Amino acid sequence: DAGITQSPRHKVTETGTPVTLRCHQTENHRYMYWYRQDPGHGLRLIHYSYGVKDTDKGEVSDGYSVSRSKTEDFLLTLESATSSQTSVYFCAISAGTGDAETQYFGPGTRLLVL
Amino acid sequence: GQNIDQPTEMTATEGAIVQINCTYQTSGFNGLFWYQQHAGEAPTFLSYNVLDGLEEKGRFSSFLSRSKGYSYLLLKELQMKDSASYLCAVMDSNYQLIWGAGTKLIIKP
Repeated sequence: DAGITQSPRHKVTETGTPVTLRCHQTENHRYMYWYRQDPGHGLRLIHYSYGVKDTDKGEVSDGYSVSRSKTEDFLLTLESATSSQTSVYFCAISAGTGDAETQYFGPGTRLLVL
Repeated sequence: GQNIDQPTEMTATEGAIVQINCTYQTSGFNGLFWYQQHAGEAPTFLSYNVLDGLEEKGRFSSFLSRSKGYSYLLLKELQMKDSASYLCAVMDSNYQLIWGAGTKLIIKP
């Protein structure tokens, strides 16, 4: 158990509304990641963070923003949700400092945008 | 572009052995990971290979050939609980993980 929680675990929202997903870790890991997982696709990186207030874009960052004001929390915001953002969102952490560190995943958030 | 290929679905019999292949083309290589993901759950780490050869962990083994851009995950003495998706991921030169779409393994009694 890597001490990662995500909230909410399930959410249904309407197109055009803002949505924020939260990832919380208890083990002080430096690196945190947000992925989305869709059928027929591998996990795709949305954004990641390498420290407080240090974030960078991943492969599919359009329409998403992130914030990390504390080591333990990494927030993912959909500014104006669209149906194409219906997905399962996973948060992950690693202790990596540039080396190939294993990533450990939270339980996921299922988001449905109507 | 970067690409990870693995079969979409495989079927095997309880008690048997199955090999799940993964081929990759990435910009740089800093290791290959295998994860297991049961339906509706998060991926969980199985193995990591960075040097050529076989790594064994109980019933599971993972093999890597960097020159061929190829890996496989070998599962022995299959159990019904091994029914899951198996995800192959390569860490590229920027230390980002590139993921395959996963192989759904169905175990039959």
